[in-house]
Amino acid sequence: DTGVSQDPRHKITKRGQNVTFRCDPISEHNRLYWYRQTLGQGPEFLTYFQNEAQLEKSRLLSDRFSAERPKGSFSTLEIQRTEQGDSAMYLCASSQSAGQGYTFGSGTRLTVV
Amino acid sequence: RKEVEQDPGPFNVPEGATVAFNCTYSNSASQSFFWYRQDCRKEPKLLMSVYSSGNEDGRFTAQLNRASQYISLLIRDSKLSDSATYLCAFINSGGSNYKLTFGKGTLLTVNP
Repeated sequence: DTGVSQDPRHKITKRGQNVTFRCDPISEHNRLYWYRQTLGQGPEFLTYFQNEAQLEKSRLLSDRFSAERPKGSFSTLEIQRTEQGDSAMYLCASSQSAGQGYTFGSGTRLTVV
Repeated sequence: RKEVEQDPGPFNVPEGATVAFNCTYSNSASQSFFWYRQDCRKEPKLLMSVYSSGNEDGRFTAQLNRASQYISLLIRDSKLSDSATYLCAFINSGGSNYKLTFGKGTLLTVNP
């Protein structure tokens, strides 16, 4: 499968725990994005990487959130001390160049209980 | 004014109907426009880009009106399989020319 892969597909965690999600973009895409989507809303931008450099972080990304993309390949998104408000679908996407539409992965659905 | 606004829906139409969605944007610097389709509990998938001259892909037609700052999506001869949420999205020119901004989406249900 040459699409964007995300792991895990679903994660249920207790409030206060840390969680980490992984995204493997399409191999020739050097741009990688994380979005969050809650019920009834469109995806909201969280952060953007070009190769290994994190070039923008949304104000939605509080200090509890951190994202990395070592070596410009896969990326991880970590949420520390999860809160119930973090429950959402976390979507990763990649693109080859600016101005293009993205290809999204299947997402990781996080439920904080 | 919000950056992007979509018809809230939901739209319930019979099979074979023609249905149109609009999406308005506030930033005149917006330069690239897209329609995405999202099935329930799935990821958004690119349906079509929207070009200045308008473009068509089978039963789907996309239009851009820069003067009034909106894009539209027309679906002709609706099929049951067209039932989904349709999201508009755009990218601005300039420094953030990589960031897709999405509308909230419009839910379409096509009934037999």
